[in-house]
Amino acid sequence: GNSVTQMEGPVTLSEEAFLTINCTYTATGYPSLFWYVQYPGEGLQLLLKATKADDKGSNKGFEATYRKETTSFHLEKGSVQVSDSAVYFCALTSSSGANSKLTFGKGITLSVRP
Amino acid sequence: EAGVAQSPRYKIIEKRQSVAFWCNPISGHATLYWYQQILGQGPKLLIQFQNNGVVDDSQLPKDRFSAERLKGVDSTLKIQPAKLEDSAVYLCASSFEGLGTEAFFGQGTRLTVV
Repeated sequence: GNSVTQMEGPVTLSEEAFLTINCTYTATGYPSLFWYVQYPGEGLQLLLKATKADDKGSNKGFEATYRKETTSFHLEKGSVQVSDSAVYFCALTSSSGANSKLTFGKGITLSVRP
Repeated sequence: EAGVAQSPRYKIIEKRQSVAFWCNPISGHATLYWYQQILGQGPKLLIQFQNNGVVDDSQLPKDRFSAERLKGVDSTLKIQPAKLEDSAVYLCASSFEGLGTEAFFGQGTRLTVV
């Protein structure tokens, strides 16, 4: 079945540091890949997505590139802010059309200190 | 555009009691998901509806959990009887049909079983 593996956390960084959060996946066919974010006290929301190989998703300074050869979708940001402190989830949908299922990784907590 | 609505936000019950959660998805979204998110873990899919039909309920503990989606719109998730290990946040999400479409999440219901 489909699965998503995220690096172990939590991650603590100083403001303006470079961020990388690793994500690898196992899936049949050609999945779509997502990063969701959960800010404290809020619901999950989409951060960015990529629907085919070599696509780059980007939003709010975050980027992730769909790498089919390494089955990865690592999240990066050049300079993190305190407001980026949240839980980040990598996810995928399988390639079964209308019956596609959204599968999540375990999530990683990012804390950014001033 | 109104988001996914869930109620209640919080619920505390004793073990062996029953509880029900309600979800109203975004208008026009054919797909509705219920996820269970235990503290420190990623969301786990319990059941997925396409309109009012069940697409996937393979991880739903059917001896105690049930869900329905009336007329392909609102949905309820019920637990009867509850166990201590059911303590979690229950998330409802909805999306348009099709691969690669974004799922929109509600705020979730935090259930505590004592």
